Amino acid sequence: SQQGEEDPQALSIQEGENATMNCSYKTSINNLQWYRQNSGRGLVHLILIRSNEREKHSGRLRVTLDTSKKSSSLLITASRAADTASYFCGMDTGRRALTFGSGTRLQVQP
Amino acid sequence: DVKVTQSSRYLVKRTGEKVFLECVQDMDHENMFWYRQDPGLGLRLIYFSYDVKMKEKGDIPEGYSVSREKKERFSLILESASTNQTSMYLCASSYPGGNTEAFFGQGTRLTVV
Repeated sequence: SQQGEEDPQALSIQEGENATMNCSYKTSINNLQWYRQNSGRGLVHLILIRSNEREKHSGRLRVTLDTSKKSSSLLITASRAADTASYFCGMDTGRRALTFGSGTRLQVQP
Repeated sequence: DVKVTQSSRYLVKRTGEKVFLECVQDMDHENMFWYRQDPGLGLRLIYFSYDVKMKEKGDIPEGYSVSREKKERFSLILESASTNQTSMYLCASSYPGGNTEAFFGQGTRLTVV
């Protein structure tokens, strides 16, 4: 089974609203990374949070990590139509390759 | 800017054909990866390589092999393509060690008919 699960699977919001997506994982991690994928394209790295960090910000992105609950959340504030994409969490479990969740499809309506 | 380039965006092959997917990166990264992406299943790791001629199986290596003869190039080989290998294939690369991000290519949409 997958190391990571994301929810919701799909999210539809209006421009200007905040979007929150969650990632849960099963084993211990060194860090957790969030990636964005526009339709039919490759993944683009957004932000990395280390296992000893609890919160990190980058522009309109806010990531939290709760290692006791084995979960992370990505908050996009003041969303724009251009934020429409799929978002994936990637977990570094120490095996050289990231393990990814199944992703959240975000639709931002103009 | 790091660039990871996959040789084809779209590919259509026949069942039984031998298929080569090529990936080249220009940042001297030691690590290179091949994932496949299917709806509802996210990204699943097929193989990865941490050095020239070195490879390790990922979570779903069956039906695939890889080749890394040069540091910048990592090839995925479908020995005898089957319809269940129709998928989006993503190549990525990264520096070794922890706390490093992966850089992805644009993906190859492979259809096996």
